[in-house]
Amino acid sequence: GAVVSQHPSWVICKSGTSVKIECRSLDFQATTMFWYRQFPKQSLMLMATSNEGSKATYEQGVEKDKFLINHASLTLSTLTVTSAHPEDSSFYICSAREDNEQFFGPGTRLTVL
Amino acid sequence: DAKTTQPPSMDCAEGRAANLPCNHSTISGNEYVYWYRQIHSQGPQYIIHGLKNNETNEMASLIITEDRKSSTLILPHATLRDTAVYYCIAPVNNAGNMLTFGGGTRLMVKP
Repeated sequence: GAVVSQHPSWVICKSGTSVKIECRSLDFQATTMFWYRQFPKQSLMLMATSNEGSKATYEQGVEKDKFLINHASLTLSTLTVTSAHPEDSSFYICSAREDNEQFFGPGTRLTVL
Repeated sequence: DAKTTQPPSMDCAEGRAANLPCNHSTISGNEYVYWYRQIHSQGPQYIIHGLKNNETNEMASLIITEDRKSSTLILPHATLRDTAVYYCIAPVNNAGNMLTFGGGTRLMVKP
């Protein structure tokens, strides 16, 4: 299947700083990418749908000004957690759509101190 | 997406078949049944999907009841590396749209 990568795989930051997470489709072009968040012992929750060249669509309860999504090319979407706080500590997972299938990245573990 | 119900956890002996059930009694005609699994601290991995007919690939088999209200994922010879959370999802049309993950089944394969 298609390969999706994320960078970094883990990050630790201080409260109040911003963190950028990259999601890349390595061997295909993805006009649509999805961002999920997963807290410990919970399931994945969709945060937003990222469309190349247009604004992301955020799920209810997800602050668009706090979680900035940019999908500037067909192989790259970025999620920036602005002014991160300890409650933003989570496992962030992206996925990319190719044809009618969805392929997931390995995830990024964010820890905010 | 149609609501799916799965047992929260299951155990399976190594080398034996693991049969993971999923109930999707409200599934509609254009909703497929997809199975993903998530090994600890990794992203979900696609396993298999089907609409009406039973399906088999190198990883697993998917048995869908005739009325499509339930399905079973079968791992024919479970190994310790199959220990994971297994998610049954019934998205509208296909998995190219947003996926709604439920609680899944935590499968523990024991030696």
